Amino acid sequence: EAGVTQFPSHSVIEKGQTVTLRCDPISGHDNLYWYRRVMGKEIKFLLHFVKESKQDESGMPNNRFLAERTGGTYSTLKVQPAELEDSGVYFCASSQVGGQGTFGSGTRLTVV
Amino acid sequence: GESVGLHLPTLSVQEGDNSIINCAYSNSASDYFIWYKQESGKGPQFIIDIRSNMDKRQGQRVTVLLNKTVKHLSLQIAATQPGDSAVYFCDFNQGGKLIFGQGTELSVKP
Repeated sequence: EAGVTQFPSHSVIEKGQTVTLRCDPISGHDNLYWYRRVMGKEIKFLLHFVKESKQDESGMPNNRFLAERTGGTYSTLKVQPAELEDSGVYFCASSQVGGQGTFGSGTRLTVV
Repeated sequence: GESVGLHLPTLSVQEGDNSIINCAYSNSASDYFIWYKQESGKGPQFIIDIRSNMDKRQGQRVTVLLNKTVKHLSLQIAATQPGDSAVYFCDFNQGGKLIFGQGTELSVKP
């Protein structure tokens, strides 16, 4: 089975620009999660989708971040406008109900 | 705004020794626990899991121990190898979402 795919793998943008990250979960996984890891630090939860609904978005840092999962398949995470502190690795994971999460390789975002 | 993240604790072991990585959780309702390994440039990879009706589970060279009384989870790696060098995260199922614990950076000395 195909794993979780994230695109792009790397992105370098200037402060104030917009970036959209994409995650394609494993087919049939209703749960989709976004996480962020800042260099050398812990992995922090951003939000959780169940199908197309936002189950929990308590980890979203501010309103510059917008996540969508139209149709309950792939998800996008848009940062607009990007700030320097948004740099980090953004991970997406998907899981079946009550199951372990399978992670993508992440998108490394650098805001300069 | 978001709080500043914590720098990870580190554990350095000699090749061939056993490693023990610890994790504490706070929510007594957590019923499913997972250990992930994250190598540089890769996403977290599943190592082993345990449900709250168990207190010990063994895999290949790895053992997970769960102490629900003190809300403590540990990962034991036998005969640690250089390829085990990575960051290890514990993960809890909390209200249907997966939450990462702090993580420990394991460094294996040859």
